[in-house]
Amino acid sequence: GEEVAQTPKHLVRGEGQKAKLYCAPIKGHSYVFWYQQVLKNEFKFLISFQNENVFDETGMPKERFSAKCLPNSPCSLEIQATKLEDSAVYFCASTTSRDIEQFFGPGTRLTVL
Amino acid sequence: GENVEQHPSTLSVQEGDSAVIKCTYSDSASNYFPWYKQELGKRPQLIIDIRSNVGEKKDQRIAVTLNKTAKHFSLHITETQPEDSAVYFCAASTGSSNTGKLIFGQGTTLQVKP
Repeated sequence: GEEVAQTPKHLVRGEGQKAKLYCAPIKGHSYVFWYQQVLKNEFKFLISFQNENVFDETGMPKERFSAKCLPNSPCSLEIQATKLEDSAVYFCASTTSRDIEQFFGPGTRLTVL
Repeated sequence: GENVEQHPSTLSVQEGDSAVIKCTYSDSASNYFPWYKQELGKRPQLIIDIRSNVGEKKDQRIAVTLNKTAKHFSLHITETQPEDSAVYFCAASTGSSNTGKLIFGQGTTLQVKP
């Protein structure tokens, strides 16, 4: 596709439940980035992939957060045992190795109650 | 660690005036500096970007300047209009590759009063 797609648009989870978010990068883009935007508006980098390989995971919380990009499937970000502070909008972005601009998806708003 | 500081956090101007937002970055290897506009509930939208081999770039009413020595860059919006009201974020790429993560500033809420 010509735009980064993210599903679902909204996700509500009780504290302690699992949350799984999906991202389909633009066709032909081999790099995928996940960012978390909390209510204070600040963006925090979580993880990036080059195809199905983890490229940079320096922003990933050590526990509870995991991510994958498998061939022929949307990338996913999973949060085990969600906490209130996980409430945020999670944006996915993609790019190519030649382009430098990161193209953002519409985001998934996660609310943890 | 890598850091981007952005000022001011809020900015209110009259329609037709200019607006300037400033950012400083810490990673001297950063080579790409995009600016994003984000409206409420929407994705960040790239409005202009600059690479480290250029000191200034302009696109109609928007311009960005980069001072690599001082590690700061600025966004200038001239002849502001009410539709320019939004939150603006600066960012800096990490490292020297094209595919480094972006480190974002804290955001500036711009209000343009009619």
